[in-house]
Amino acid sequence: AQSVTQPDIHITVSEGASLELRCNYSYGATPYLFWYVQSPGQGLQLLLKYFSGDTLVQGIKGFEAEFKRSQSSFNLRKPSVHWSDAAEYFCAVGEIQGAQKLVFGQGTRLTINP
Amino acid sequence: EAGVAQSPRYKIIEKRQSVAFWCNPISGHATLYWYQQILGQGPKLLIQFQNNGVVDDSQLPKDRFSAERLKGVDSTLKIQPAKLEDSAVYLCASSLFLQGGAGELFFGEGSRLTVL
Repeated sequence: AQSVTQPDIHITVSEGASLELRCNYSYGATPYLFWYVQSPGQGLQLLLKYFSGDTLVQGIKGFEAEFKRSQSSFNLRKPSVHWSDAAEYFCAVGEIQGAQKLVFGQGTRLTINP
Repeated sequence: EAGVAQSPRYKIIEKRQSVAFWCNPISGHATLYWYQQILGQGPKLLIQFQNNGVVDDSQLPKDRFSAERLKGVDSTLKIQPAKLEDSAVYLCASSLFLQGGAGELFFGEGSRLTVL
């Protein structure tokens, strides 16, 4: 069965600093990978996704992620964070058997220091 | 385009009571999901519908949880009787059905349940 591990439960960075959130997955076939963001009291919003092709994918709000098959990783990055980026971030792997369903990691809570 | 609608947003009940949550997916989305998100954890799939048929309900506690999607559009998730550990946010999501399953999931804002 597929699984997702987000090693960092909570990360604090200063506004303007760079950010990297880690994600490792376990899946037998080529994975479909996603990053979602969840602000307090809100649903999940898709930041970016990887299906195939270029392993560096660009998303909304200035985020990008790189798929590394050899490391089973899909880390999320942003060169300069803004206070509005404070939220919970979830990595997910898509299981493709008939119809897609997502398996989520436990999430990483991002705090921004002014 | 209207998003995924859920109601109620908040519900507080006592243990052993019942509760129901409603979800209206994005128009035209054949696939509908119910996820349970316990505080501090990632969402966990409870049940997945394709039109009005169940694709996966392997993680649904069937002794107390039930869900239906009549007419292949909106859906209801019911819990009866509720336990303390059912306190969570219940997220509904929908997606287009694409061959190979590469459709994006769109999530509602969730229904937060507190069981006292």
